[in-house]
Amino acid sequence: DVKVTQSSRYLVKRTGEKVFLECVQDMDHENMFWYRQDPGLGLRLIYFSYDVKMKEKGDIPEGYSVSREKKERFSLILESASTNQTSMYLCASIQHGTAYGYTFGSGTRLTVV
Amino acid sequence: QQPVQSPQAVILREGEDAVINCSSSKALYSVHWYRQKHGEAPVFLMILLKGGEQKGHEKISASFNEKKQQSSLYLTASQLSYSGTYFCGTETANFGNEKLTFGTGTRLTIIP
Repeated sequence: DVKVTQSSRYLVKRTGEKVFLECVQDMDHENMFWYRQDPGLGLRLIYFSYDVKMKEKGDIPEGYSVSREKKERFSLILESASTNQTSMYLCASIQHGTAYGYTFGSGTRLTVV
Repeated sequence: QQPVQSPQAVILREGEDAVINCSSSKALYSVHWYRQKHGEAPVFLMILLKGGEQKGHEKISASFNEKKQQSSLYLTASQLSYSGTYFCGTETANFGNEKLTFGTGTRLTIIP
């Protein structure tokens, strides 16, 4: 069974901390994405990557950065966590040209206090 | 800009039908549909491509009106297991990165 694994299900961090969210997929997918999900706002794209070391900004990249050193791993970095970054973070991957859609990880619920 | 989904929420009795709409202000290349149950990750239902056919199987199907940049998801004879929040995700061009912009979701509640 194909998988997207996010390292933490729940995370509590302090304001100003540097936070790393890890995502690993075992499907050899080229494209990987980080979304945040907030009530009433749906899923909003933070960053995505279509190849190793390649990254592009999504709709809400401010306060975030990403790293993709290996094809299977896509990391989201909160440079200096703030309370307005408290959210559910979802990682997803998809094979280029597929008819099968995104595979999502189970999400990381981040609380910044 | 996010696609607009309607309705925002709907409550149905088991066995009734539902239609969820997704509308974009931009020309679309593809539309994805996902269902998310409470506390779980979204799960892919189907994809509709520009120029493609209506998709679906048995009781869940979808259509894509390219002229109106709209897609509709049809749930027939709904079951309790259909409860959840449905999201459409739209792709505006075939750049090959499969970047989706999601709507804000439609919460579907099925009651016995």
